[in-house]
Amino acid sequence: GAGVSQSPSNKVTEKGKDVELRCDPISGHTALYWYRQRLGQGLEFLIYFQGNSAPDKSGLPSDRFSAERTGESVSTLTIQRTQQEDSAVYLCASSLIPSGGTQRYNEQFFGPGTRLTVL
Amino acid sequence: AQTVTQSQPEMSVQEAETVTLSCTYDTSESDYYLFWYKQPPSRQMILVIRQEAYKQQNATENRFSVNFQKAAKSFSLKISDSQLGDAAMYFCAYRSSPYIGGGADGLTFGKGTHLIIQP
Repeated sequence: GAGVSQSPSNKVTEKGKDVELRCDPISGHTALYWYRQRLGQGLEFLIYFQGNSAPDKSGLPSDRFSAERTGESVSTLTIQRTQQEDSAVYLCASSLIPSGGTQRYNEQFFGPGTRLTVL
Repeated sequence: AQTVTQSQPEMSVQEAETVTLSCTYDTSESDYYLFWYKQPPSRQMILVIRQEAYKQQNATENRFSVNFQKAAKSFSLKISDSQLGDAAMYFCAYRSSPYIGGGADGLTFGKGTHLIIQP
């Protein structure tokens, strides 16, 4: 089975442009997460999806950031009017959340990330 | 909000020796998970080991073990018989207890420790 994939692997853009980053989760995984990793830092949680709804958007750094998910598959993270401080690696993860109740532990499987450079 | 602190930006160990990476965290919760992730240059985050806070027994996975001190809010990782392939960034991470009806939520990461293995 394929793991989490992300595209593009690297993206260089000019300040002020919009960018879209894509994440393909593991097939059947209902939960999807986006994280940002600035140079020399740990990962910052941005947003997660349960199915195609996003109950927790608290980590999005500004209203320039938005994310969508189609059903229980592909997700797109969009950054509008990019700034130099948006330069980072953006990592996606997915996990299997059984329906119908709580689950104490669901491992998050990570993709290889997209390195975004804003000039 | 929870915080995770890794006070060692870089550690170096001779091949076949043992090394311990430190992690402390701050939380007011009593039920949570702690993790150690490995991130090689490929950027892919790999789960090394996890610990459930309600379990007193320290987790062990082959050459990797943890020393979980709940009262002290300390969670160190011991790598025995270090191998060249262990060289990577290591991140300590925290996850709150699963919320009712879900079980999916973002991880809080430390800034990481760069582990160097000397041949």
